[in-house]
Amino acid sequence: GAVVSQHPSWVICKSGTSVKIECRSLDFQATTMFWYRQFPKQSLMLMATSNEGSKATYEQGVEKDKFLINHASLTLSTLTVTSAHPEDSSFYICSARRGDSSYNEQFFGPGTRLTVL
Amino acid sequence: AQSVTQLDSHVSVSEGTPVLLRCNYSSSYSPSLFWYVQHPNKGLQLLLKYTSAATLVKGINGFEAEFKKSETSFHLTKPSAHMSDAAEYFCVVSPNTGRRALTFGSGTRLQVQP
Repeated sequence: GAVVSQHPSWVICKSGTSVKIECRSLDFQATTMFWYRQFPKQSLMLMATSNEGSKATYEQGVEKDKFLINHASLTLSTLTVTSAHPEDSSFYICSARRGDSSYNEQFFGPGTRLTVL
Repeated sequence: AQSVTQLDSHVSVSEGTPVLLRCNYSSSYSPSLFWYVQHPNKGLQLLLKYTSAATLVKGINGFEAEFKKSETSFHLTKPSAHMSDAAEYFCVVSPNTGRRALTFGSGTRLQVQP
């Protein structure tokens, strides 16, 4: 149990276009989902926290108008990179926390590699 | 505020020898602590977690870690390394209240030599 999927696993797009990444909890309900960004050979940096049915909480320095997050249901959160530029190329990882979890454990998706040309 | 310091960016061991990956944390409250492993092109996998129960935590694949409050450390160990252990390891700290967001260490790349 506790499987998180991401789609797509990789995407290449042209500069100026928008890209949507989906994060789904397949076998549990996720009251909270998180979006991270990971540059090559670096650690994960939290971008934002999303709660179902409410606005996302963005970390300092993350542009909310550029990285649109929608948590429409207890099993789905989406990250849209708007007007993508080459500097947005990165590995984007989502995680989900179970609604019934008494721990802080988060379950991670496999990640989405975004390349902006 | 919370932070994590992984003292070694790269560790190399021979197969069959012990593994030690060091982690120190800073937290203004009693935290939860985790070790995650990331294999190339795969998602993060939880190895083990400390959540204020037993200070010696046993995880998957023979790994364990000991929470030492006096030393603010949470080092990861394994008695005998296997080739399949080669990966990136992250020490992670989280508060037990609020958003409970995770703060990741910079990672330690474990290399296992045959």
